[in-house]
Amino acid sequence: ELKVEQNPLFLSMQEGKNYTIYCNYSTTSDRLYWYRQDPGKSLESLFVLLSNGAVKQEGRLMASLDTKARLSTLHITAAVHDLSATYFCAVLPSTGNQFYFGTGTSLTVIP
Amino acid sequence: EAQVTQNPRYLITVTGKKLTVTCSQNMNHEYMSWYRQDPGLGLRQIYYSMNVEVTDKGDVPEGYKVSRKEKRNFPLILESPSPNQTSLYFCASSPLLYRVSPLHFGNGTRLTVT
Repeated sequence: ELKVEQNPLFLSMQEGKNYTIYCNYSTTSDRLYWYRQDPGKSLESLFVLLSNGAVKQEGRLMASLDTKARLSTLHITAAVHDLSATYFCAVLPSTGNQFYFGTGTSLTVIP
Repeated sequence: EAQVTQNPRYLITVTGKKLTVTCSQNMNHEYMSWYRQDPGLGLRQIYYSMNVEVTDKGDVPEGYKVSRKEKRNFPLILESPSPNQTSLYFCASSPLLYRVSPLHFGNGTRLTVT
């Protein structure tokens, strides 16, 4: 059974601090996606990571992919309140066309 | 505006009363899919479609049906809804060209089955 595990599930952090969200998956894949969901809203795409060693950055968020370790990270630098949301990773296996999502990380940034 | 449109946004129904949630995209995407989101479980794929008349089961297809008669539309049908299908549902589409494109999500449909 394919699994996508995110850690932590809940994260409360102070403004200005750094933290990392982890996404482990149990299948061969070089396609890893990060999405953001605000409360009561839909999901929006943040990053698409397409190969081993890929790194993407947007503002205070940086995502990376290690396909050998089957691990992706989402690093938050100097958190601000606007980053409060739920973050999901999703994997598209090397074979097949079904997306598999992690359980999500609910991030709350406290002033 | 490029978008995925789901209707209705909210739906309350009773056990056994057939319902359809519509999904339409205006981006000419080949790939369309349905997900349900439940607390602590993330998003789970119900069905997906690679193109017209091509559909495949996801992880949780029981109790659901889909059809893809036109490229832009991908309705989700619950023939006999039950309370365990109370959930938040999302439709999504993607061009999936070279498997590099992310999913574009609709605004969601919150379904309550009593």
